[in-house]
Amino acid sequence: AQSVSQHNHHVILSEAASLELGCNYSYGGTVNLFWYVQYPGQHLQLLLKYFSGDPLVKGIKGFEAEFIKSKFSFNLRKPSVQWSDTAEYFCAVTPYSSASKIIFGSGTRLSIRP
Amino acid sequence: DTGVSQDPRHKITKRGQNVTFRCDPISEHNRLYWYRQTLGQGPEFLTYFQNEAQLEKSRLLSDRFSAERPKGSFSTLEIQRTEQGDSAMYLCASSPQGQGETQYFGPGTRLLVL
Repeated sequence: AQSVSQHNHHVILSEAASLELGCNYSYGGTVNLFWYVQYPGQHLQLLLKYFSGDPLVKGIKGFEAEFIKSKFSFNLRKPSVQWSDTAEYFCAVTPYSSASKIIFGSGTRLSIRP
Repeated sequence: DTGVSQDPRHKITKRGQNVTFRCDPISEHNRLYWYRQTLGQGPEFLTYFQNEAQLEKSRLLSDRFSAERPKGSFSTLEIQRTEQGDSAMYLCASSPQGQGETQYFGPGTRLLVL
């Protein structure tokens, strides 16, 4: 069965620190990959997605993620976080052959100290 | 606001009662999805519709759960004979048809079964 693992349950950083959130997925075929973010009191929204092409994907608000096929990983990065990045971050995957349901990881809560 | 809307936003019910939730997708989206999210977990796929056709159902969707999208617009999710384990956030999402289209999420309905 497909699954997504997020290594960190809760990450606490100071403003201007660099961020990397780990994500690994389990699926043998071609996949589409996503990072979703949920800011406090708001809906889930798409941060970035990878479907094909350049494995380094840039998203909104200065976030980027790198797809490493050999490692089944799709880690999220940001060089300098801001207090407003405090949120819950979800890595997710859809098998390319069944681009309907999204399989989410359990999420990483990011807290930024001002 | 032309995003996905859900009603009600909160529902408290007693064990054994039936509840129904409504989702209104973005108007031009013909795909509609239901997910369930429990505390500390990412959303889990329940079912999805393309227009009025229900194309996929998760094994999580027991016989007590039923979803409809009779005219291919709004959808309802009904839970019969609720159990305490049904307490969760129920999320709806919609997307246009096509490979790789982004799913847009609504605010969710939080259900508490006493």
